[in-house]
Amino acid sequence: GAVVSQHPSWVICKSGTSVKIECRSLDFQATTMFWYRQFPKQSLMLMATSNEGSKATYEQGVEKDKFLINHASLTLSTLTVTSAHPEDSSFYICSANRGWNTEAFFGQGTRLTVV
Amino acid sequence: GENVEQHPSTLSVQEGDSAVIKCTYSDSASNYFPWYKQELGKRPQLIIDIRSNVGEKKDQRIAVTLNKTAKHFSLHITETQPEDSAVYFCAADTGTASKLTFGTGTRLQVTL
Repeated sequence: GAVVSQHPSWVICKSGTSVKIECRSLDFQATTMFWYRQFPKQSLMLMATSNEGSKATYEQGVEKDKFLINHASLTLSTLTVTSAHPEDSSFYICSANRGWNTEAFFGQGTRLTVV
Repeated sequence: GENVEQHPSTLSVQEGDSAVIKCTYSDSASNYFPWYKQELGKRPQLIIDIRSNVGEKKDQRIAVTLNKTAKHFSLHITETQPEDSAVYFCAADTGTASKLTFGTGTRLQVTL
């Protein structure tokens, strides 16, 4: 199957700092990638759709100025959590599809802890 | 937008028994329904999926059924084993942008 790689797998940062998470499709090109957030014992909630070469599309209630998304190439999307606060601590996970309406391949996820 | 409900939230079965997890969706345009298994701290793994032009699909001990009229789909696991213990998520995709809406998850525990 296709491989999506996410880095880092975990990160601890101080409150007020920014953290960048990378999501790469290793063996296919992805014009669209998706970013999810998962709180403990909860489901995956879509945060935004990352579009190569254009602005990301954010879901309702997600602050675009806080969660900056850049999709500069067909194999890399980045999520930057700016001015992180303890309530941003969560499991962030990306996904990409080979094509429309096909299997989603997930990255390993990033456990963010803001102290 | 799409809304996916999933039941039960927890399910405990004895090894060898069957487990059934049910989901309903709201958007009649949804046409792709994957099921994911997620172990603690790991990424979701696709275990089976079904498209709206099919009513049932089976892969060894795992099967999924889809009722488009009623807008519900179910996961069936037979002959459960301890390694089936995990959290299972259903999801629905309207196909317009490959966006997945996930159900709330079912924690399955298979006891010896």
